[in-house]
Amino acid sequence: GAVVSQHPSWVICKSGTSVKIECRSLDFQATTMFWYRQFPKQSLMLMATSNEGSKATYEQGVEKDKFLINHASLTLSTLTVTSAHPEDSSFYICSAKGTDDGYTFGSGTRLTVV
Amino acid sequence: AQSVTQPDIHITVSEGASLELRCNYSYGATPYLFWYVQSPGQGLQLLLKYFSGDTLVQGIKGFEAEFKRSQSSFNLRKPSVHWSDAAEYFCAVGARQAGTALIFGKGTTLSVSS
Repeated sequence: GAVVSQHPSWVICKSGTSVKIECRSLDFQATTMFWYRQFPKQSLMLMATSNEGSKATYEQGVEKDKFLINHASLTLSTLTVTSAHPEDSSFYICSAKGTDDGYTFGSGTRLTVV
Repeated sequence: AQSVTQPDIHITVSEGASLELRCNYSYGATPYLFWYVQSPGQGLQLLLKYFSGDTLVQGIKGFEAEFKRSQSSFNLRKPSVHWSDAAEYFCAVGARQAGTALIFGKGTTLSVSS
């Protein structure tokens, strides 16, 4: 079945630094990838939709200059949290839509900013 | 507006008892419906999905869900709950169109008592 690999699974960084999270579709081409954020004991909130070769579409309230999304190829999308602060600490999950109309999720990245 | 409602925030069920988790949706297009389960600190696991056809869908781990268009519902059921079923359950709605992200409900926390 379709597999999406997300790395790293967890990361701790210092306040003010940037962190990059990668999401790769291993056995299918993902024209579109989605990035979600999940706070503890809450649901997944869509941050942005990433289309290969074009600018990402951000949801209302998501700072595009803080959360940089790049979708350079049909199998790779990256989310960079720039100048991270403690309030950016969260669980970030990517998702890709495959040819079978299903949605495949990465295993998530736990970001802790100290 | 597109939305998913899971009316029950927290449910406790005795081990061996039956389970039903409710999900209602509001969606403009033909909905694709999903149920995911998430254990603490983990990613999402797909339990089952409905695209079309038979409105009673069988999933993994003995779960099933029934799509009722007239009620805009997609309730998840299991005849006999096991202690390992304790987790967070999310209902989600999407569409066939490329670039359409999943919208998640707020989730239902399932506790299993012995």
